[in-house]
Amino acid sequence: EADIYQTPRYLVIGTGKKITLECSQTMGHDKMYWYQQDPGMELHLIHYSYGVNSTEKGDLSSESTVSRIRTEHFPLTLESARPSHTSQYLCASSAKKEAQETQYFGPGTRLLVL
Amino acid sequence: KNQVEQSPQSLIILEGKNCTLQCNYTVSPFSNLRWYKQDTGRGPVSLTIMTFSENTKSNGRYTATLDADTKQSSLHITASQLSDSASYICVVSDRGSTLGRLYFGRGTQLTVWP
Repeated sequence: EADIYQTPRYLVIGTGKKITLECSQTMGHDKMYWYQQDPGMELHLIHYSYGVNSTEKGDLSSESTVSRIRTEHFPLTLESARPSHTSQYLCASSAKKEAQETQYFGPGTRLLVL
Repeated sequence: KNQVEQSPQSLIILEGKNCTLQCNYTVSPFSNLRWYKQDTGRGPVSLTIMTFSENTKSNGRYTATLDADTKQSSLHITASQLSDSASYICVVSDRGSTLGRLYFGRGTQLTVWP
């Protein structure tokens, strides 16, 4: 079981609200990622970070933003949630030193925007 | 276009039976291929990882094969258990960038019945 945590696990909010999805890992990994996954569909990378103060957008365009102030923490923020943001959000981390880099995933946050 | 295709989309088997899941990919250049298991409401967990030179790798009752020439992989599950019910995701990594970009399949949803 990987030491990567996400909160909340489930969130139901109204349109226009600002939300922050939390992700933290205790493995000291440099790289962290956010994925979006709809039911029966593949994971899409929306943000990643190589380390503190480093953030990049992923393959899938997203209105969310991220920050990386501490190695262990990689929160994702939606300034104004919309129904189209309803999805599952998965956070992951991986270590730069591993010969075969494997991503370790958190349990995910299921977001429903009404 | 780099893609990962998995079949079947879903599969139902009886407890104790064996099954084989397929993954075809067009990702190039190729670095490695991973199989992940994703339980409902959880994040994916790595089962196996294979590089170009590896043909087969086992993890308990899970055996993955790789044919890099035909760009095909399979995951064989022996003596299935109820706990094997999950989505199995094939993930291919390229060498085309420092990120080692990952390409995800949509997964095969396996249901094991008693």
